Amino acid sequence: EVQLVESGGGLVKPGGSLRLSCAASGFTFSSYSMNWVRQAPGKGLEWVSSISSSSSYIYYADSVKGRFTISRDNAKNSLYLQMNSLRAEDTAVYYCAAAGTPLYFDYWGQGTLVTVSS
Amino acid sequence: SYELTQPPSVSVSPGQTARITCSGDALPKQYAYWYQQKPGQAPVLVIYKDSERPSGIPERFSGSSSGTTVTLTISGVQAEDEADYYCQSADSSSWVFGGGTKLTVL
Repeated sequence: EVQLVESGGGLVKPGGSLRLSCAASGFTFSSYSMNWVRQAPGKGLEWVSSISSSSSYIYYADSVKGRFTISRDNAKNSLYLQMNSLRAEDTAVYYCAAAGTPLYFDYWGQGTLVTVSS
Repeated sequence: SYELTQPPSVSVSPGQTARITCSGDALPKQYAYWYQQKPGQAPVLVIYKDSERPSGIPERFSGSSSGTTVTLTISGVQAEDEADYYCQSADSSSWVFGGGTKLTVL
């Protein structure tokens, strides 16, 4: 059974930092590109960042470029998102999502809530 | 980047056919994908490459494409189909979602 389990969310002040993790199991993690997708409360889905299977290709949405860093550890079947200079508008549930082909998202985790507030 | 436009809401009675559209200038050149999201749950892929159905997705879910518009069709809608539906597309370096459509089963 495919499982993606996010962790690391919480309450942080504006300007602060947070590191999200996603633990994967039930599929060949090293063969999938991995992504972070977020959803602000009551709003739609927004793609945040993508990393290819070997970390050769990394992409960011303009809204987080320069502030967020995606990384992965294939030996640990884990995905990470380092979030710096957080803003109120970064408040959202953050989902990790696996993509067998890079164009869409086959599997999703249950998400972790990040709240940026003073 | 580009945009995908969906109607905010669609309502149908049980057993009827629901059609949810997604429009975007890039769609003639790129595939569309559809996700179902129920309250408090993660999204689930229901259609990929415009019209392909993943294993485990009921046959009542289908997709089609025509020009700049793709359509998710749910035939014989059931109460359990009430959810938010999102279209999505991608180019080589960005992934875009539509704003989502809330399907209400009356």
